[in-house]
Amino acid sequence: LAKTTQPISMDSYEGQEVNITCSHNNIATNDYITWYQQFPSQGPRFIIQGYKTKVTNEVASLFIPADRKSSTLSLPRVSLSDTAVYYCLVGGLIKAAGNKLTFGGGTRVLVKP
Amino acid sequence: GAVVSQHPSRVICKSGTSVKIECRSLDFQATTMFWYRQFPKQSLMLMATSNEGSKATYEQGVEKDKFLINHASLTLSTLTVTSAHPEDSSFYICSAIGTVNTNYGYTFGSGTRLTVV
Repeated sequence: LAKTTQPISMDSYEGQEVNITCSHNNIATNDYITWYQQFPSQGPRFIIQGYKTKVTNEVASLFIPADRKSSTLSLPRVSLSDTAVYYCLVGGLIKAAGNKLTFGGGTRVLVKP
Repeated sequence: GAVVSQHPSRVICKSGTSVKIECRSLDFQATTMFWYRQFPKQSLMLMATSNEGSKATYEQGVEKDKFLINHASLTLSTLTVTSAHPEDSSFYICSAIGTVNTNYGYTFGSGTRLTVV
């Protein structure tokens, strides 16, 4: 599985856009990029998944450059409730049963009033 | 859809006793379940992978005789921490993936906070 590198922490303010970049230099051709959010004492929650270019859902956007060696999770107009740890994972298609998820260090995002 | 229920959410046990944690997929059949352990301020560490009806596959360094995993049905997997010690105190999380094409990826339980005293 491709190793990922993320900033340890980021601070932001309510209403701002938060962008978290993840490096995955040895991503394989079949690998997808998936982001999870985790609140204290809770299990991770799936945010978004992508393979290339841009993916957007109701929660976030995921930007993936052509070389796929990095990706950026964009959280628009964050609120205090977006304070959490965000994990970037790289691996096989998430819907394929049997692919295990290996978590990196994650980015601790603190949203301030 | 794709809900995973984990029980109990918190448990305190005495050193030397065993504790069982349940992980249930409520609205889908989980062909594969995963168990993670998370220490404070740290990331999730995969402990083992279990497939329904077969023996679990443990990650390197995880004692299979200490962390017993049973995946007897497509909706239930259990993790039993045997002869628990204070160093086993941690946050245990399960996740599941099944045959339903949910588009939600892996679904995680809410976790179990184990404290061994």
